[in-house]
Amino acid sequence: GQNIDQPTEMTATEGAIVQINCTYQTSGFNGLFWYQQHAGEAPTFLSYNVLDGLEEKGRFSSFLSRSKGYSYLLLKELQMKDSASYLCAVRDRDYQLIWGAGTKLIIKP
Amino acid sequence: IAGITQAPTSQILAAGRRMTLRCTQDMRHNAMYWYRQDLGLGLRLIHYSNTAGTTGKGEVPDGYSVSRANTDDFPLTLASAVPSQTSVYFCASSPSGRNEQFFGPGTRLTVL
Repeated sequence: GQNIDQPTEMTATEGAIVQINCTYQTSGFNGLFWYQQHAGEAPTFLSYNVLDGLEEKGRFSSFLSRSKGYSYLLLKELQMKDSASYLCAVRDRDYQLIWGAGTKLIIKP
Repeated sequence: IAGITQAPTSQILAAGRRMTLRCTQDMRHNAMYWYRQDLGLGLRLIHYSNTAGTTGKGEVPDGYSVSRANTDDFPLTLASAVPSQTSVYFCASSPSGRNEQFFGPGTRLTVL
């Protein structure tokens, strides 16, 4: 079967750095996505990795290791508005997205 | 319209009733998707359409049907609603199956 694993919840302090991990087992791999979802709202696209390595976009970075079936999302200089759920999704061999259950990130002052 | 719209925003429905959730996008995206999101579970794909005139089944298609008569609209129909279909439903679109997906605001459906 196909499986995406993420921690259910994480807590971090405003101004700090947090790393959200995602491990996956899928039938084929055609890229990994990270989305942000604020409570009661729609998911919004954050990042995309298809090759190994780090992709940086402002305060957010995403890393991929295909051989390990592993990715992480790194958030720097945390702000209160970063309190949200972060969803990891892998595109499988049929180009369908398989979604993790999401990691709820709580930012404390 | 800018992006994707869904209607209604929320709905309470009696079991056994028929219901159509509407989704419209104005980005001329070829691919469209319907997901349901339940607490503790990831988004689950119900149906998808790679281009107007074609549809496909996702992970959880039973009890749902879709049509794609044109590029912009992708309605989802529950023929006879059951309480297990209580969920938040998101419509999404992408330029093609190889791009990131853009999501509508969602429809919160409660079946009693």
